[in-house]
Amino acid sequence: GAGVSQSPSNKVTEKGKDVELRCDPISGHTALYWYRQSLGQGLEFLIYFQGNSAPDKSGLPSDRFSAERTGGSVSTLTIQRTQQEDSAVYLCASSGRVEDYGYTFGSGTRLTVV
Amino acid sequence: DAKTTQPTSMDCAEGRAANLPCNHSTISGNEYVYWYRQIHSQGPQYIIHGLKNNETNEMASLIITEDRKSSTLILPHATLRDTAVYYCIVRPNYGQNFVFGPGTRLSVLP
Repeated sequence: GAGVSQSPSNKVTEKGKDVELRCDPISGHTALYWYRQSLGQGLEFLIYFQGNSAPDKSGLPSDRFSAERTGGSVSTLTIQRTQQEDSAVYLCASSGRVEDYGYTFGSGTRLTVV
Repeated sequence: DAKTTQPTSMDCAEGRAANLPCNHSTISGNEYVYWYRQIHSQGPQYIIHGLKNNETNEMASLIITEDRKSSTLILPHATLRDTAVYYCIVRPNYGQNFVFGPGTRLSVLP
């Protein structure tokens, strides 16, 4: 597709369950980013992948959070043993040459932990 | 640290120019100024960026002061659909993430 695709668009899960969120970046984009946005709050950086380099995980809030990027394309963000404070919109973005285009964001996955 | 300072909110009349200021007094020589906006319930959208020269595209104009310590995003003829949170970001070297601050909530009024 032409844009960044995220799935599911909405996810409701019970506290303590694991969830996986998927991001399909724009074809050919080498950089991929995950952010989250809690209700009424700003964007919080989580993790960044650039090509084959080791990811920048400095924004992950706890060891319950992890992310993978397979084959330099699709990425999965996994949250283990979800807590209510994990409820947020999780946004994925990709970029080629940032100087040319900036980021392109997906529409996000709204996660609700009940 | 977002490294930028923006007003919390602004109003603008429909059809008028919206001028959104941003202070970035600690900007480094190799850092670009980027602007994004986020319309309710959507992901952020890239608007424009610049290094030191003024820039214009189909969405907006970016005016950067000569000392690069501040900039202004100009929406020349604001419409109701321009109501959004506008983020001004300075970005270090290529390959690092963007740091989003709280931004400016622009309300375009009929």
